[in-house]
Amino acid sequence: DTGVSQDPRHKITKRGQNVTFRCDPISEHNRLYWYRQTLGQGPEFLTYFQNEAQLEKSRLLSDRFSAERPKGSFSTLEIQRTEQGDSAMYLCASSSRDRVTGELFFGEGSRLTVL
Amino acid sequence: AQRVTQPEKLLSVFKGAPVELKCNYSYSGSPELFWYVQYSRQRLQLLLRHISRESIKGFTADLNKGETSFHLKKPFAQEEDSAMYYCALSGRYSGGGADGLTFGKGTHLIIQP
Repeated sequence: DTGVSQDPRHKITKRGQNVTFRCDPISEHNRLYWYRQTLGQGPEFLTYFQNEAQLEKSRLLSDRFSAERPKGSFSTLEIQRTEQGDSAMYLCASSSRDRVTGELFFGEGSRLTVL
Repeated sequence: AQRVTQPEKLLSVFKGAPVELKCNYSYSGSPELFWYVQYSRQRLQLLLRHISRESIKGFTADLNKGETSFHLKKPFAQEEDSAMYYCALSGRYSGGGADGLTFGKGTHLIIQP
């Protein structure tokens, strides 16, 4: 499968713990996005990378959240001191500047449950 | 601020009946509009873009700038159309990077046999 892959698929943690999610984009894609989706809502933008540079962050991304994309390949999203409100599906997507605008390729998501 | 509104959380129609999923947007500029679909146990994927003006799986959508709408239509629904449908907007100020998208809350389409 050469699509976007995310790990872990499910994570259950206690409030106050730190969690980290990994995203491996499609190999030739230079753009990578993180979205968050809660029940009954559409995906909400969190942050965006072009290669290794983090070019944009949503105001939803509090200072407990940090994302990296070293070497412009895979990306990690870390949440420190998790809160129950962080429970959501975290989606990663990638795209290529050479492809049609707006065609993002999504992973299956990492579901976080904070107890 | 940019916003995408899908007024129906759930839409249920019988197989063979016409389908229309509504989408309205607010954006000061010329946005690009998209429909994304998520079938059961599958990942979110692009269905169609307004720029392409094409029919995908029998679905079409026309951008109406006067009404700020981008409704998704299909003349004869099929059971395999059952899925979550999300309308999305991409524009210079939509946030989310070069291809960043603002999504609506989605409409769950159920096609009854």
